[in-house]
Amino acid sequence: QKEVEQDPGPLSVPEGAIVSLNCTYSNSAFQYFMWYRQYSRKGPELLMYTYSSGNKEDGRFTAQVDKSSKYISLFIRDSQPSDSATYLCAMTGLGNKFYFGSGTKLNVKP
Amino acid sequence: GAVVSQHPSRVICKSGTSVKIECRSLDFQATTMFWYRQFPKQSLMLMATSNEGSKATYEQGVEKDKFLINHASLTLSTLTVTSAHPEDSSFYICSARSDSSNQPQHFGDGTRLSIL
Repeated sequence: QKEVEQDPGPLSVPEGAIVSLNCTYSNSAFQYFMWYRQYSRKGPELLMYTYSSGNKEDGRFTAQVDKSSKYISLFIRDSQPSDSATYLCAMTGLGNKFYFGSGTKLNVKP
Repeated sequence: GAVVSQHPSRVICKSGTSVKIECRSLDFQATTMFWYRQFPKQSLMLMATSNEGSKATYEQGVEKDKFLINHASLTLSTLTVTSAHPEDSSFYICSARSDSSNQPQHFGDGTRLSIL
């Protein structure tokens, strides 16, 4: 079993839709959770960084962490064609070991 | 803040050439830097973790003599692909993390390496 599971998609939505991206994990020691956005031929860009359970909002993006279910989500409101990219979840506990999801490819159609 | 610069962005060279890739943290001190390889439509594959002033820790299956990593300062790490061959062609990405234990990684924009 992988440490982090993420549906690779692709996920295709119309412009303006609410997008829900998710990851599940197996290690209860994970405390810090991240979402990255990666455009084609570019490095991942940090979107959201959260600690432990709860919600965090930044503009059109909301990150949710449910440690009891070992489930994290990223919601994108009013999605735009410029949001089309691959979204990677990542998580870590104490120390330098990070675990990444395989990435979900999102396509927002105009 | 938290900008990581990676150069060059694109390299095309002949088989047998050694290629050096630089990764710099521009506005923070990076105690730890990571080097990844990414194949098309796949996720990141960690190659090695380097801490400033010490030897890099390589992941299983990564040849340390093939992929030389140097992290001589808190803002610079280099990856040298020695005697590169076509199978080394890939997208290489670095990331950096500050010395606070609960900080995320910040990534460079990657280097696309093509060995002819």
